[in-house]
Amino acid sequence: NAGVTQTPKFRILKIGQSMTLQCTQDMNHNYMYWYRQDPGMGLKLIYYSVGAGITDKGEVPNGYNVSRSTTEDFPLRLELAAPSQTSVYFCASRRDRDYGYTFGSGTRLTVV
Amino acid sequence: QKEVEQDPGPLSVPEGAIVSLNCTYSNSAFQYFMWYRQYSRKGPELLMYTYSSGNKEDGRFTAQVDKSSKYISLFIRDSQPSDSATYLCSISNFGNEKLTFGTGTRLTIIP
Repeated sequence: NAGVTQTPKFRILKIGQSMTLQCTQDMNHNYMYWYRQDPGMGLKLIYYSVGAGITDKGEVPNGYNVSRSTTEDFPLRLELAAPSQTSVYFCASRRDRDYGYTFGSGTRLTVV
Repeated sequence: QKEVEQDPGPLSVPEGAIVSLNCTYSNSAFQYFMWYRQYSRKGPELLMYTYSSGNKEDGRFTAQVDKSSKYISLFIRDSQPSDSATYLCSISNFGNEKLTFGTGTRLTIIP
């Protein structure tokens, strides 16, 4: 049982480049989330999805885009990378609203 | 005012000590409470889940909720070096699509 799988684990981007962070879960969870975690700042919600075809903004969506074409996958797209997007990105899922999250192991992104 | 406040630490205690980690929250409508443990360079993992005032025990861990004071705590008994991690509290309402997280407390258990 793989849980939530994130790829890549590490990435260095140059300013202005684009990339997609991949997230896949095999638990048939409806709810999926993208967070970024900066030192001392906790987890900030970027985007979330309550099911295939449905996405919504979190508190820090600027500079990011998402799509949810299947229950399993929830990729996060960074367009025109900026140094402010240097962070650790976590994908999470949960079965329903009243359950805890299962997190992936994270993607550590550096923009130079 | 932030919805959830958590002392970031760092907190260092000797092995075997009792550890107390705390969060306060502002919205009395919050109904359930979680604690996550995050080891360095790993994703958070769910440690404890409770939705009522009082105590919930799981091995060496006890989650305590005081809804009247809007205060939640996690106690770790007989602390071990393997407990060294960042602990995040999380709160929500039933039916809410999103969880609210504290900033996390970094804990180090000294052998």
